[in-house]
Parts: sequence; structure tokens; C-alpha cells
Amino acid sequence: KAGVTQTPRYLIKTRGQQVTLSCSPISGHRSVSWYQQTPGQGLQFLFEYFSETQRNKGNFPGRFSGRQFSNSRSEMNVSTLELGDSALYLCASSLQGLPRYEQYFGPGTRLTVT
Amino acid sequence: AQRVTQPEKLLSVFKGAPVELKCNYSYSGSPELFWYVQYSRQRLQLLLRHISRESIKGFTADLNKGETSFHLKKPFAQEEDSAMYYCALSGPSGGSNYKLTFGKGTLLTVNP
Repeated sequence: KAGVTQTPRYLIKTRGQQVTLSCSPISGHRSVSWYQQTPGQGLQFLFEYFSETQRNKGNFPGRFSGRQFSNSRSEMNVSTLELGDSALYLCASSLQGLPRYEQYFGPGTRLTVT
Repeated sequence: AQRVTQPEKLLSVFKGAPVELKCNYSYSGSPELFWYVQYSRQRLQLLLRHISRESIKGFTADLNKGETSFHLKKPFAQEEDSAMYYCALSGPSGGSNYKLTFGKGTLLTVNP
């Protein structure tokens, strides 16, 4: 079974721009979650999508948004980028998602904001 | 608010020695608890979860609700156990909104 894929793997953006990251889950998985990983804050939960609906949400500002398509692929968008948004963004897919099911992580997208 | 604390950023042991990675949590309710591991140049992956009460790669973890802890243990560490270990908690945070909260991680090094 192919694993979770994320594109692009690396991105450099300028402050004020917006960015879209993509995640393709494992076939058959209906849940996709997104996480931000930084040296200071560690791994932080952004949100979870399940069957095209946002089901759970972390404590991030509205500049962070996402969506999920009918094939379960998901995109995450960050608008009006700030320097502090520089991070590794991980997505994870799961058969049924939170709270109980195993999360399968992708390799991440490294976003650098200059 | 739910919180996960891993008090040790770094832990170094010798091969064959017992190892215990500490995890304490703060949560009012019945959480789901997990240990995730990231080996060098690999993806983050699930090691074990409290609900299945299984032993993976010789590791076990017992949920102690009284001490709000979920420490990860292995009686005899191996060099291939060297990795970053994350403790994680999943529970509702306001109504039916669930979050998965990670600790900051412990980097385990097993020396030959």
C-alpha cells in the first residue's frame, strides 16, 4: 500500500503571500489531519477532515484553513504568511481518525517564510 | 486544556540496560494515549496505544490514571531503539471537538 504523500516537499515564500500544501492519504483512509512542527512549539494539531468536512480543529488563527475532496485528498492553505509560519507541515491519514485510530504520517512539507 | 509533558529532552542508555521514557498528562476525562516514534530519516509512526495493551518491539506502556502518567518502558534497550519518541493524547477539547496533543519528545540514544 502506498504511503501518505505530500507536495511540494519544500517551499520558500515571502511574508504576506499565501501558500497551498497538498496531501494524498493512503487509499481507503477517510480522515486527514494536519500538524505544524517547529523547534519551539513541537508538534501542534491544526485540524482534521473526515469525508470532506472539518471535524476537529486546533488552536490556530483563521489564516490556516483546509479542505478535503471527495477522493479524500486534502489541501491546507495559509494566507498572509508570517515569519512565524516557517515550519514543517505534516499531514496524517487514518481509517476513521480521531480520537482512537492510528495516524499514518507523510514526510512533510518544509515551508520557509522570508 | 489538555497537556502532555515529557520531562526529558534527551535520554542516553547503554545497550542491554532498561529504559523508561516518561510521559505525564493533564486532562480531565478519559483520554486515548499513544506513543509515536521517529527513527532517523523516517516518518513519524505509531509505536503503541494504551487501548490495545500490546507490546511492540519489546516496549510496553501502562496508563496510570492516578498519577496521570503513561511511561514507556523496555527491559533491555537495543541500538536500533535510538530515535525520537513522542507521547500523545487524544480527547475532546470543548464539546465534541477532538485534538491530538503531542509532548515535545524525548531523543533516546542507545550506546553500544
